[in-house]
Amino acid sequence: GAVVSQHPSRVICKSGTSVKIECRSLDFQATTMFWYRQFPKQSLMLMATSNEGSKATYEQGVEKDKFLINHASLTLSTLTVTSAHPEDSSFYICSARQGNMNTEAFFGQGTRLTVV
Amino acid sequence: GIQVEQSPPDLILQEGANSTLRCNFSDSVNNLQWFHQNPWGQLINLFYIPSGTKQNGRLSATTVATERYSLLYISSSQTTDSGVYFCAGIPVDSNYQLIWGAGTKLIIKP
Repeated sequence: GAVVSQHPSRVICKSGTSVKIECRSLDFQATTMFWYRQFPKQSLMLMATSNEGSKATYEQGVEKDKFLINHASLTLSTLTVTSAHPEDSSFYICSARQGNMNTEAFFGQGTRLTVV
Repeated sequence: GIQVEQSPPDLILQEGANSTLRCNFSDSVNNLQWFHQNPWGQLINLFYIPSGTKQNGRLSATTVATERYSLLYISSSQTTDSGVYFCAGIPVDSNYQLIWGAGTKLIIKP
């Protein structure tokens, strides 16, 4: 199957700083990538859909100025958590599909963010 | 919106046992996948199975699209099978967003 690589896998940052998470499709091109957040013992919650060359589409309740998404190429999307606060601590996962939108989705390894 | 129900929510088994996990959808889906989330959080693709039956080693899955459910079978369980199993699907006439079940937490005891 297709490979999606996410980096870093774990990050600890101080309150008020910004953190960038990268999501790469290693062996295919992805015009669309997805960013999820997962709280402990819960399922995945879609935050936003990242579109190459255009603005991301955010889900209701997700602050676009807090979670900046840039999809600058067909193989890379980045999520920047700006002015991080302890409540932003969570597990963030990216996903991409190879081909059209109705095909199998593949996921990155996830990033565990801790804001202290 | 569409609802995805997974059962059972929790399952504890001895090594070597077999199990069946179920995923029910309240409406039709085009795309159905099963995932295993390991203790480190990595989501591992198990099956992409919009319909029919597939097998991969000790795991197999069956989706009956007309009745809106899917089953995941795990045979001869190993401790490494522990983790959370999720099913997810894309509703027909949707914006291609995956809708997730709440997961089944599986613990395999040695």
